[in-house]
Amino acid sequence: EPEVTQTPSHQVTQMGQEVILRCVPISNHLYFYWYRQILGQKVEFLVSFYNNEISEKSEIFDDQFSVERPDGSNFTLKIRSTKLEDSAMYFCASSIGQGVGYTFGSGTRLTVV
Amino acid sequence: QKEVEQNSGPLSVPEGAIASLNCTYSDRGSQSFFWYRQYSGKSPELIMSIYSNGDKEDGRFTAQLNKASQYVSLLIRDSQPSDSATYLCAVLLGGGADGLTFGKGTHLIIQP
Repeated sequence: EPEVTQTPSHQVTQMGQEVILRCVPISNHLYFYWYRQILGQKVEFLVSFYNNEISEKSEIFDDQFSVERPDGSNFTLKIRSTKLEDSAMYFCASSIGQGVGYTFGSGTRLTVV
Repeated sequence: QKEVEQNSGPLSVPEGAIASLNCTYSDRGSQSFFWYRQYSGKSPELIMSIYSNGDKEDGRFTAQLNKASQYVSLLIRDSQPSDSATYLCAVLLGGGADGLTFGKGTHLIIQP
């Protein structure tokens, strides 16, 4: 069964450093997303990406965040100048079409120290 | 503001019984509704999707949607210990580019 692949599975970074989280969505999917889940809290939407541009972003997705699809397969989330409160599990997801259930990747656990 | 509410539980159900999970949502414009299962430390896994009023069955799972009451439910028949997990209700307002709004999830425990 096709999978959404995320790397790394766990990243530890110092406060103020930049991190890049990587995702390979399912190959025929057209919509790409990033979500995060702080430990013990709900899954929160960050951003959606379609046709090589951001479609929607939440209030969480401020200027310290950016997304990119640098080639035909990868989808990245960059966090500039990380803060302690950025520590969370970050999930990439993709979907084939509008309103269709998303497939989530296994996640990257980001720990900011 | 879009809100999705679930009872956090834990909901304890004997093995073989029916587990009933409930979810309410605030935005009447919501179009699509999903149930995800999440094991501790793992990613959400899609269980069911439902788009129109009524029931939708898939194996041991039945999703129920009542848009007038802004209510979604998930029934799990013949509950198994492997069904023990957190069940997340998620709602999509519009088209595919919109983000899912998740509830906090209901922690389900199936007692052997």
